[in-house]
Amino acid sequence: ETGVTQTPRHLVMGMTNKKSLKCEQHLGHNAMYWYKQSAKKPLELMFVYNFKEQTENNSVPSRFSPECPNSSHLFLHLHTLQPEDSALYLCASSLGRGVTNTGELFFGEGSRLTVL
Amino acid sequence: RKEVEQDPGPFNVPEGATVAFNCTYSNSASQSFFWYRQDCRKEPKLLMSVYSSGNEDGRFTAQLNRASQYISLLIRDSKLSDSATYLCVVSGNTGGFKTIFGAGTRLFVKA
Repeated sequence: ETGVTQTPRHLVMGMTNKKSLKCEQHLGHNAMYWYKQSAKKPLELMFVYNFKEQTENNSVPSRFSPECPNSSHLFLHLHTLQPEDSALYLCASSLGRGVTNTGELFFGEGSRLTVL
Repeated sequence: RKEVEQDPGPFNVPEGATVAFNCTYSNSASQSFFWYRQDCRKEPKLLMSVYSSGNEDGRFTAQLNRASQYISLLIRDSKLSDSATYLCVVSGNTGGFKTIFGAGTRLFVKA
C-alpha cells in the first residue's frame, strides 16, 4: 500500500469545468511535488512545496493552481483546461530536509485526467 | 539540450543477458542521482541511488562520473520481471528541489 494517496484516480472534464486533484502523504515528509506525465514524454516537474512553501514553479500555465495547506496535503486546482492537458498527474513526497532535496521521491498512483 | 538524456529504447534482450543503460545530465551543480523503475501504468519507484564510488545491489550496478556528467546502470542475468522502463533521475541543483527525470529507457526481457 502506497504512503502517498491520490484522488480521484480518473477524471474526465470539459474545458469550462473546475476540478481539483488531491494528494495526501502519510510518510511524515515535508516536501511535496506535482509532476505531469504525458504519453512518450518524460515526467515534467510542475510544482514543489517544502514545508508548505512553494520552491519551484516550472513555468506552469496559470490554469493549474497548486495549494499546500500543510505538509501532508497537496492540491492541484484545474480550470479552463485544454485537451493537451490530458495526462497522468503524479504527486510525490520526500523528506525535504535542508536547502536542496537529496532524498528519494515516493509517488502516488496518479490521477489520469482527460480533458474533452 | 535536455537536462537529462537517456539511451533511446526499447532494449529487447533474452533472459540471462547483461544490459547497460546510459544517461547524461546538463547541470554540473546537480547533487543527487538515482535510477527509478516504472512498470506499465504504474508510478515510478526508486531502484537505487547512484554514488561516485559506484554501487551494487544484487544484479544491478550503478556508476556516476561527475566529470563527464554521466550515469550508468548495468543489469546482469536479466529476468523476465526486469521488463520495465528505467528512469534516470537527477536532483538537487542549488537553491531548490528540482528533481528531473529522463524520458526513460524501455527494457523488454524475453524468454
